[in-house]
Amino acid sequence: GAVVSQHPSWVICKSGTSVKIECRSLDFQATTMFWYRQFPKQSLMLMATSNEGSKATYEQGVEKDKFLINHASLTLSTLTVTSAHPEDSSFYICSARGSGGVYNEQFFGPGTRLTVL
Amino acid sequence: AQSVTQPDIHITVSEGASLELRCNYSYGATPYLFWYVQSPGQGLQLLLKYFSGDTLVQGIKGFEAEFKRSQSSFNLRKPSVHWSDAAEYFCAVADPGGYQKVTFGIGTKLQVIP
Repeated sequence: GAVVSQHPSWVICKSGTSVKIECRSLDFQATTMFWYRQFPKQSLMLMATSNEGSKATYEQGVEKDKFLINHASLTLSTLTVTSAHPEDSSFYICSARGSGGVYNEQFFGPGTRLTVL
Repeated sequence: AQSVTQPDIHITVSEGASLELRCNYSYGATPYLFWYVQSPGQGLQLLLKYFSGDTLVQGIKGFEAEFKRSQSSFNLRKPSVHWSDAAEYFCAVADPGGYQKVTFGIGTKLQVIP
Protein backbone atom coordinates (compact mmCIF):
# COMPACT_ATOMS: atom_id res chain seq x y z
CA GLY A 1 0.00 0.00 0.00
CA ALA A 2 0.82 3.71 0.07
CA VAL A 3 2.01 4.02 -3.52
CA VAL A 4 2.55 7.38 -5.17
CA SER A 5 3.05 7.68 -8.91
CA GLN A 6 4.26 10.52 -11.08
CA HIS A 7 3.73 11.15 -14.75
CA PRO A 8 5.69 11.65 -16.86
CA SER A 9 8.89 10.14 -15.49
CA TRP A 10 10.90 12.36 -17.79
CA VAL A 11 10.11 15.22 -20.15
CA ILE A 12 12.09 17.38 -22.54
CA CYS A 13 10.60 20.66 -23.69
CA LYS A 14 11.56 23.82 -25.49
CA SER A 15 12.21 27.04 -23.64
CA GLY A 16 9.04 29.08 -23.26
CA THR A 17 6.63 26.17 -23.19
CA SER A 18 4.65 24.92 -20.19
CA VAL A 19 4.94 21.47 -18.70
CA LYS A 20 2.48 19.68 -16.43
CA ILE A 21 3.56 16.97 -13.99
CA GLU A 22 1.00 14.75 -12.31
CA CYS A 23 1.27 13.17 -8.88
CA ARG A 24 -1.20 10.50 -7.87
CA SER A 25 -1.78 8.55 -4.68
CA LEU A 26 -2.86 5.16 -5.94
CA ASP A 27 -4.23 3.43 -2.88
CA PHE A 28 -4.97 6.08 -0.29
CA GLN A 29 -6.48 9.51 -0.05
CA ALA A 30 -3.86 12.19 0.12
CA THR A 31 -5.13 15.13 2.10
CA THR A 32 -1.78 16.86 1.70
CA MET A 33 0.70 16.74 -1.13
CA PHE A 34 4.16 18.20 -1.30
CA TRP A 35 6.35 19.17 -4.23
CA TYR A 36 10.12 19.06 -4.02
CA ARG A 37 12.88 20.01 -6.39
CA GLN A 38 16.28 18.37 -6.47
CA PHE A 39 19.27 19.82 -8.27
CA PRO A 40 22.11 17.50 -9.32
CA LYS A 41 24.14 16.27 -6.37
CA GLN A 42 21.98 18.24 -3.94
CA SER A 43 19.24 17.52 -1.50
CA LEU A 44 15.53 17.93 -1.95
CA MET A 45 14.13 21.37 -1.42
CA LEU A 46 10.48 21.79 -0.57
CA MET A 47 8.73 24.00 -3.08
CA ALA A 48 5.17 23.99 -1.86
CA THR A 49 2.56 22.23 0.23
CA SER A 50 -0.98 21.75 -0.98
CA ASN A 51 -4.14 20.58 0.70
CA GLU A 52 -6.99 19.19 -1.29
CA GLY A 53 -9.32 21.95 -2.35
CA SER A 54 -7.11 24.76 -1.06
CA LYS A 55 -4.48 27.02 -2.53
CA ALA A 56 -0.94 25.79 -2.21
CA THR A 57 1.46 27.27 0.30
CA TYR A 58 4.75 28.12 -1.34
CA GLU A 59 8.13 28.19 0.32
CA GLN A 60 10.07 31.41 0.37
CA GLY A 61 11.76 32.10 -2.95
CA VAL A 62 9.47 29.89 -5.02
CA GLU A 63 7.53 31.79 -7.68
CA LYS A 64 3.91 30.77 -7.39
CA ASP A 65 3.06 32.22 -10.80
CA LYS A 66 5.74 30.09 -12.40
CA PHE A 67 5.08 26.86 -10.54
CA LEU A 68 1.33 26.39 -10.55
CA ILE A 69 0.08 23.71 -8.19
CA ASN A 70 -3.41 22.26 -8.24
CA HIS A 71 -4.73 19.70 -5.77
CA ALA A 72 -8.23 19.24 -7.08
CA SER A 73 -8.90 15.79 -5.67
CA LEU A 74 -7.74 13.54 -2.85
CA THR A 75 -5.68 11.45 -5.24
CA LEU A 76 -4.25 13.96 -7.70
CA SER A 77 -2.01 16.99 -7.58
CA THR A 78 -0.43 18.69 -10.57
CA LEU A 79 2.59 20.94 -10.91
CA THR A 80 2.72 23.11 -14.00
CA VAL A 81 5.98 24.80 -14.86
CA THR A 82 4.93 27.80 -16.92
CA SER A 83 7.18 29.39 -19.55
CA ALA A 84 9.93 26.96 -18.72
CA HIS A 85 13.55 28.00 -19.08
CA PRO A 86 16.77 25.98 -18.92
CA GLU A 87 17.30 26.95 -15.29
CA ASP A 88 14.05 25.11 -14.47
CA SER A 89 15.66 21.85 -15.53
CA SER A 90 15.65 19.66 -12.45
CA PHE A 91 14.32 16.53 -10.82
CA TYR A 92 10.86 17.15 -9.38
CA ILE A 93 9.53 14.80 -6.69
CA CYS A 94 6.12 14.81 -5.11
CA SER A 95 5.01 13.23 -1.89
CA ALA A 96 1.60 12.54 -0.44
CA ARG A 97 0.31 12.27 3.07
CA GLY A 98 -2.94 10.81 4.27
CA SER A 99 -5.11 11.82 7.16
CA GLY A 100 -3.98 9.47 9.86
CA GLY A 101 -2.79 6.07 10.94
CA VAL A 102 -0.12 4.52 8.78
CA TYR A 103 -0.73 7.21 6.19
CA ASN A 104 0.33 9.97 8.55
CA GLU A 105 3.75 10.13 6.94
CA GLN A 106 4.85 11.24 3.53
CA PHE A 107 5.12 8.74 0.71
CA PHE A 108 7.28 9.80 -2.20
CA GLY A 109 6.76 9.42 -5.90
CA PRO A 110 9.54 8.23 -8.22
CA GLY A 111 10.25 11.72 -9.55
CA THR A 112 10.08 13.50 -12.88
CA ARG A 113 13.19 14.60 -14.73
CA LEU A 114 12.56 17.88 -16.57
CA THR A 115 15.00 19.10 -19.19
CA VAL A 116 14.36 22.46 -20.82
CA LEU A 117 16.27 23.11 -24.02
CA ALA B 1 13.73 26.40 12.09
CA GLN B 2 14.57 22.75 11.79
CA SER B 3 17.77 21.68 10.04
CA VAL B 4 19.68 18.52 9.30
CA THR B 5 23.42 18.05 9.02
CA GLN B 6 25.03 15.12 7.29
CA PRO B 7 28.75 15.76 7.75
CA ASP B 8 29.93 13.12 5.32
CA ILE B 9 29.15 13.93 1.69
CA HIS B 10 30.86 10.83 0.35
CA ILE B 11 31.80 7.55 2.02
CA THR B 12 33.55 4.52 0.57
CA VAL B 13 33.42 1.14 2.27
CA SER B 14 34.41 -2.36 1.29
CA GLU B 15 31.73 -4.93 0.70
CA GLY B 16 31.11 -6.83 3.92
CA ALA B 17 32.38 -4.02 6.12
CA SER B 18 30.21 -2.23 8.64
CA LEU B 19 28.69 1.15 7.89
CA GLU B 20 27.66 4.16 9.91
CA LEU B 21 26.22 7.30 8.35
CA ARG B 22 26.02 10.30 10.59
CA CYS B 23 23.09 12.64 11.00
CA ASN B 24 22.60 15.54 13.40
CA TYR B 25 19.50 17.66 13.61
CA SER B 26 18.44 20.95 15.06
CA TYR B 27 14.90 21.23 16.38
CA GLY B 28 13.23 22.66 19.45
CA ALA B 29 11.75 19.37 20.58
CA THR B 30 11.90 15.79 19.37
CA PRO B 31 11.04 15.71 15.70
CA TYR B 32 10.07 12.81 13.53
CA LEU B 33 13.26 11.37 12.04
CA PHE B 34 13.77 9.48 8.81
CA TRP B 35 16.39 7.88 6.65
CA TYR B 36 15.74 7.59 2.92
CA VAL B 37 17.75 5.98 0.16
CA GLN B 38 17.85 7.17 -3.44
CA SER B 39 19.34 5.23 -6.31
CA PRO B 40 20.51 7.22 -9.35
CA GLY B 41 17.59 8.82 -11.19
CA GLN B 42 15.09 7.32 -8.79
CA GLY B 43 12.76 8.61 -6.13
CA LEU B 44 13.14 8.12 -2.43
CA GLN B 45 12.64 4.91 -0.54
CA LEU B 46 12.04 5.01 3.19
CA LEU B 47 14.55 2.89 5.12
CA LEU B 48 13.28 3.57 8.61
CA LYS B 49 11.66 6.18 10.78
CA TYR B 50 11.50 7.24 14.40
CA PHE B 51 8.43 8.83 15.89
CA SER B 52 8.71 7.88 19.57
CA GLY B 53 9.45 4.95 21.86
CA ASP B 54 12.42 2.63 21.49
CA THR B 55 15.39 4.68 20.38
CA LEU B 56 16.88 1.86 18.32
CA VAL B 57 14.90 1.52 15.14
CA GLN B 58 15.06 -1.37 12.72
CA GLY B 59 14.47 -0.75 9.05
CA ILE B 60 14.45 -2.52 5.74
CA LYS B 61 17.47 -4.04 4.00
CA GLY B 62 19.21 -4.72 7.32
CA PHE B 63 19.58 -1.08 8.34
CA GLU B 64 19.07 0.30 11.81
CA ALA B 65 19.34 3.74 13.36
CA GLU B 66 19.66 4.99 16.90
CA PHE B 67 18.10 8.19 18.18
CA LYS B 68 20.24 9.93 20.77
CA ARG B 69 18.45 12.90 22.23
CA SER B 70 21.48 14.17 24.15
CA GLN B 71 23.50 14.34 20.94
CA SER B 72 20.65 15.36 18.63
CA SER B 73 21.75 12.51 16.41
CA PHE B 74 20.11 9.79 14.37
CA ASN B 75 22.93 7.75 12.87
CA LEU B 76 22.27 4.99 10.37
CA ARG B 77 24.11 1.67 10.66
CA LYS B 78 24.46 -1.61 8.85
CA PRO B 79 26.71 -4.42 10.09
CA SER B 80 27.68 -5.74 6.67
CA VAL B 81 27.37 -3.70 3.48
CA HIS B 82 26.39 -5.23 0.15
CA TRP B 83 27.34 -3.86 -3.25
CA SER B 84 23.65 -3.12 -3.89
CA ASP B 85 23.69 -0.64 -0.99
CA ALA B 86 25.63 1.86 -3.10
CA ALA B 87 23.31 4.88 -3.34
CA GLU B 88 22.60 8.29 -1.88
CA TYR B 89 21.29 8.37 1.68
CA PHE B 90 19.25 11.23 3.08
CA CYS B 91 18.49 11.93 6.69
CA ALA B 92 15.35 13.97 7.27
CA VAL B 93 13.38 15.54 10.06
CA ALA B 94 9.73 16.49 10.22
CA ASP B 95 7.64 18.59 12.51
CA PRO B 96 5.33 16.22 14.43
CA GLY B 97 2.55 18.76 14.18
CA GLY B 98 0.98 20.61 11.32
CA TYR B 99 1.56 19.35 7.83
CA GLN B 100 4.79 17.57 8.70
CA LYS B 101 7.10 19.69 6.64
CA VAL B 102 10.12 17.50 5.96
CA THR B 103 13.60 18.96 5.89
CA PHE B 104 16.32 16.91 4.25
CA GLY B 105 20.03 16.79 4.82
CA ILE B 106 22.37 17.24 1.90
CA GLY B 107 22.83 13.50 1.55
CA THR B 108 25.70 11.05 1.84
CA LYS B 109 26.80 9.18 -1.24
CA LEU B 110 27.85 5.65 -0.43
CA GLN B 111 30.32 3.84 -2.65
CA VAL B 112 30.90 0.12 -2.09
CA ILE B 113 34.09 -1.44 -3.38
CA PRO B 114 34.49 -5.19 -3.92
